[in-house]
Amino acid sequence: KAGVTQTPRYLIKTRGQQVTLSCSPISGHRSVSWYQQTPGQGLQFLFEYFSETQRNKGNFPGRFSGRQFSNSRSEMNVSTLELGDSALYLCASSFGGLATNEKLFFGSGTQLSVL
Amino acid sequence: AQKVTQAQTEISVVEKEDVTLDCVYETRDTTYYLFWYKQPPSGELVFLIRRNSFDEQNEISGRYSWNFQKSTSSFNFTITASQVVDSAVYFCALSNYGGSQGNLIFGKGTKLSVKP
Repeated sequence: KAGVTQTPRYLIKTRGQQVTLSCSPISGHRSVSWYQQTPGQGLQFLFEYFSETQRNKGNFPGRFSGRQFSNSRSEMNVSTLELGDSALYLCASSFGGLATNEKLFFGSGTQLSVL
Repeated sequence: AQKVTQAQTEISVVEKEDVTLDCVYETRDTTYYLFWYKQPPSGELVFLIRRNSFDEQNEISGRYSWNFQKSTSSFNFTITASQVVDSAVYFCALSNYGGSQGNLIFGKGTKLSVKP
């Protein structure tokens, strides 16, 4: 069974640009959640999508958005990039989602560098 | 407010030593779940254990053991006879979802280096 796949692995962007990250969950999982990991703030929850609907959202500005497709693949978009958006972005999948307090399966992340 | 504190930022041990990673949490909820995840250099977090707030029974799995004490709001993780492959960042997390509402909070992580 394939794990959670995130693409691309690395991204370099400049301030003001926008970026789209992709996450393919484990087959059969309906929930995809996204996290930002930085040395200073640690791991922070961005949002969760379940069956194409955003179910939960963390405390991030509207520049961070996402969507989920009918095959459960999810994309995260960050518009008007700022230097502080440089981080490792991780996604995780699960069958029932965060609401079931179940374990999550994580991808290896996308390392975004904003210059 | 909910919070997870991992006071140890970095720990370095020599192979075969035992090591304990501390996790202290804060929550007003009576129902919650605690997790430990391991993040090796490859980046993905790997699930290690989940405990609910009603189950204080300690658990041992091979070289890993967990000590959950509600009285001190702690959920500590011990690796016995550490190995170089245990080198990673370890995260403790608290989840309190009831229905669709809740939070998933991670500690800042403890970086464990096991030297040969």
